[in-house]
Amino acid sequence: DSGVTQTPKHLITATGQRVTLRCSPRSGDLSVYWYQQSLDQGLQFLIQYYNGEERAKGNILERFSAQQFPDLHSELNLSSLELGDSALYFCASSVEASDSPLHFGNGTRLTVT
Amino acid sequence: GESVGLHLPTLSVQEGDNSIINCAYSNSASDYFIWYKQESGKGPQFIIDIRSNMDKRQGQRVTVLLNKTVKHLSLQIAATQPGDSAVYFCADLNDYKLSFGAGTTVTVRA
Repeated sequence: DSGVTQTPKHLITATGQRVTLRCSPRSGDLSVYWYQQSLDQGLQFLIQYYNGEERAKGNILERFSAQQFPDLHSELNLSSLELGDSALYFCASSVEASDSPLHFGNGTRLTVT
Repeated sequence: GESVGLHLPTLSVQEGDNSIINCAYSNSASDYFIWYKQESGKGPQFIIDIRSNMDKRQGQRVTVLLNKTVKHLSLQIAATQPGDSAVYFCADLNDYKLSFGAGTTVTVRA
């Protein structure tokens, strides 16, 4: 168990809808990362927060947004969902903003129908 | 684009043999590398890391080798066990972004 908790485990929704994925980092970790994993794209970095502030942005669509709250948990919001957004979404956390290993949760599997 | 990549997408290994998984990276400025193992239905699990000021690091049954001259990284697993069957990723942490290679699927034959 990595200590990173993600909810829900599974989510099925329709195109055009909006969903929120939640992540609780390991105790003591200040950085939270979001990744998308699909069969044809592998693990793609979306965004990183450090102690509540956005630190780095990757291939995150404008329909997606995230935030990290004062208690350090994070939420990833996906809106105007499309079939192609179906994927596994992983949250990871680390102690530092860089140069420390990331520890991943077990992901949220999103299915858009 | 990705800064790391793996040489082979699949590797079949006899139980008890040693496994070697290779990875090439392109960014010469990369200074921190991590190997992850991902089992079906789970998130990537940290195995071992190495910084660019080292060329070898050992863990429990695993060794990571870094060759900065040719920008090559490898993961060696000693005495491979059925529980080692998984997808293995190398990753390069650079500018706060952890970039993953495509992964190598390791299958252990009994």
